[in-house]
Amino acid sequence: QQQVKQSPQSLIVQKGGISIINCAYENTAFDYFPWYQQFPGKGPALLIAIRPDVSEKKEGRFTISFNKSAKQFSLHIMDSQPGDSATYFCAALFGNEKLTFGTGTRLTIIP
Amino acid sequence: DSGVTQTPKHLITATGQRVTLRCSPRSGDLSVYWYQQSLDQGLQFLIQYYNGEERAKGNILERFSAQQFPDLHSELNLSSLELGDSALYFCASSSRGNTIYFGEGSWLTVV
Repeated sequence: QQQVKQSPQSLIVQKGGISIINCAYENTAFDYFPWYQQFPGKGPALLIAIRPDVSEKKEGRFTISFNKSAKQFSLHIMDSQPGDSATYFCAALFGNEKLTFGTGTRLTIIP
Repeated sequence: DSGVTQTPKHLITATGQRVTLRCSPRSGDLSVYWYQQSLDQGLQFLIQYYNGEERAKGNILERFSAQQFPDLHSELNLSSLELGDSALYFCASSSRGNTIYFGEGSWLTVV
């Protein structure tokens, strides 16, 4: 059972554009929603995270939007750069339990 | 650098063999997680340990086993290896209620 659904599977955005990746979850007990960035051959690195008591969190060019009633959250990358080309995973966590990951989005930023 | 150390970084072995992957968590982190990532696949949770005790089990094969030692380092044992076990194996660690950090992974190639 896929508890965190992520879309799209792949995304191509022009340099300077906005990249948007969406996730939906099922378990309302989740209370922590991180996004991870992974470059080829490297481990996932925490990018930004949000808790359900806020609707938006911004760190530099990266913003998480969170809609608790719809059980959805999304990652927005503003002014996308070629260096942002990577695979992005959303995830959800309850307490100190395991992270449940989405299936990943391969983002490519073209000049 | 996440502070999670995994060894070896690369490993090539034959079918039917057994290997051990080692993980040193971040200083002070009590939880250790193991994930498997196959080519172009997402992150599959295998198992979690907390302070030496198994906490949660995911899609871990019976041929695989893990343990966490008193010094909190962990080992993932993979036996009777098959070609399909070729993957990137990640270890991650966290403190209670905090972010989960991933190591750089151990590349396993079964030939």
